Amino acid sequence: GQQVQQSPASLVLQEGENAELQCNFSSTATQLQWFYQSPGGSLVSLLSNPSGTKHTGRLTSTTVTKERRSSLHISSSQTTDSGTYLCAIYNNAGAKLTFGGGTRLTVRP
Amino acid sequence: DPKIIQKPKYLVAVTGSEKILICEQYLGHNAMYWYRQSAKKPLEFMFSYSYQKLMDNQTASSRFQPQSSKKNHLDLQITALKPDDSATYFCASSQDPANSDYTFGSGTRLLVI
Repeated sequence: GQQVQQSPASLVLQEGENAELQCNFSSTATQLQWFYQSPGGSLVSLLSNPSGTKHTGRLTSTTVTKERRSSLHISSSQTTDSGTYLCAIYNNAGAKLTFGGGTRLTVRP
Repeated sequence: DPKIIQKPKYLVAVTGSEKILICEQYLGHNAMYWYRQSAKKPLEFMFSYSYQKLMDNQTASSRFQPQSSKKNHLDLQITALKPDDSATYFCASSQDPANSDYTFGSGTRLLVI
């Protein structure tokens, strides 16, 4: 079945530093999404990026479909960025999201 | 206002009992889903429904039964609860099954003792 691997598993930064999160997936995805899960558990979609580079605010996602990898860059991190970042792939054939294990980000003041 | 309402937020159940997790969405979406997140596994797909019909079931156990009484409802009945069922259960919806633009509920955290 489809697999999604994220790295690193955890990351600790000082406020203002940049973060680079990685996602590798094992099969062709028609859509790739990055989600943020707050410490309280709620899930929010950040970016949909099946290929190329997309920006929103301080977030930049780059997906190289042929190499089955995606990255999420967070610039000028803030303490409120702390939480877990989840990568998920979507395949039309399966019509469901397959999630990675996440990267737990801690931003210290 | 929350667009997807899950109730209850927290639930403690005794082994062997039965519980129903409630999910209602007010987005006008036609597809609804259940996902589970446990301490040991990533967020994983359980069921998908489209226009109140089951599309996909990735749950091995028949103890988990989705129930859709209305288009915007997809409840999850769990029978003969086991401690391993302890997890957070997330409901989600999208415009249709081909649309990956999901909205997730805030989850029901279930603890089976």
